[in-house]
Amino acid sequence: GAVVSQHPSRVICKSGTSVKIECRSLDFQATTMFWYRQFPKQSLMLMATSNEGSKATYEQGVEKDKFLINHASLTLSTLTVTSAHPEDSSFYICSPTWGYEAFFGQGTRLTVV
Amino acid sequence: GEDVEQSLFLSVREGDSSVINCTYTDSSSTYLYWYKQEPGAGLQLLTYIFSNMDMKQDQRLTVLLNKKDKHLSLRIADTQTGDSAIYFCAERKGGNNRLAFGKGNQVVVIP
Repeated sequence: GAVVSQHPSRVICKSGTSVKIECRSLDFQATTMFWYRQFPKQSLMLMATSNEGSKATYEQGVEKDKFLINHASLTLSTLTVTSAHPEDSSFYICSPTWGYEAFFGQGTRLTVV
Repeated sequence: GEDVEQSLFLSVREGDSSVINCTYTDSSSTYLYWYKQEPGAGLQLLTYIFSNMDMKQDQRLTVLLNKKDKHLSLRIADTQTGDSAIYFCAERKGGNNRLAFGKGNQVVVIP
């Protein structure tokens, strides 16, 4: 199967600071990158969709200025949580896709204190 | 909106078979997936089935698709303790390959 590298796996940050999460597809080129958020004991909620070189499309209710997505290449996308607040604490998962196959990173547990 | 529905909890003895069910509402979905999530980890693709198939078997996993009833199931044969996890079904929606996930089904395997 495809190899996806997402890091950091865990991060604790102070309220008001920014955190960058990186997602790489190591052995394939991802035409589309999805970013999901998962609260405890809940399913994945799609935050945004991005294609390489284009601006991301955000789901309703997701602030684009707060969750900055960069998809500069077919193998790398980043999600930056800006001015983080405790309510942003969650599990963030990237999903690079190619064709009909969607793969997932190992997730980043963000805790904002 | 359209939802993917799953039951929430299943307890099964080691060595028995376990069956997880899922219903979806988008008849235009082309691919349906089963993912496994262990605690604190991302999602691992277990298997997928194309919408024109009724069944797919992959080692201990059997996927059944009833397109008429929009019902998807995953059967795990000879369930092992390592199968304890949360299982999500997902359907591919729309032209941008986005996935819609069910709420997940926690499977606990009792030794």
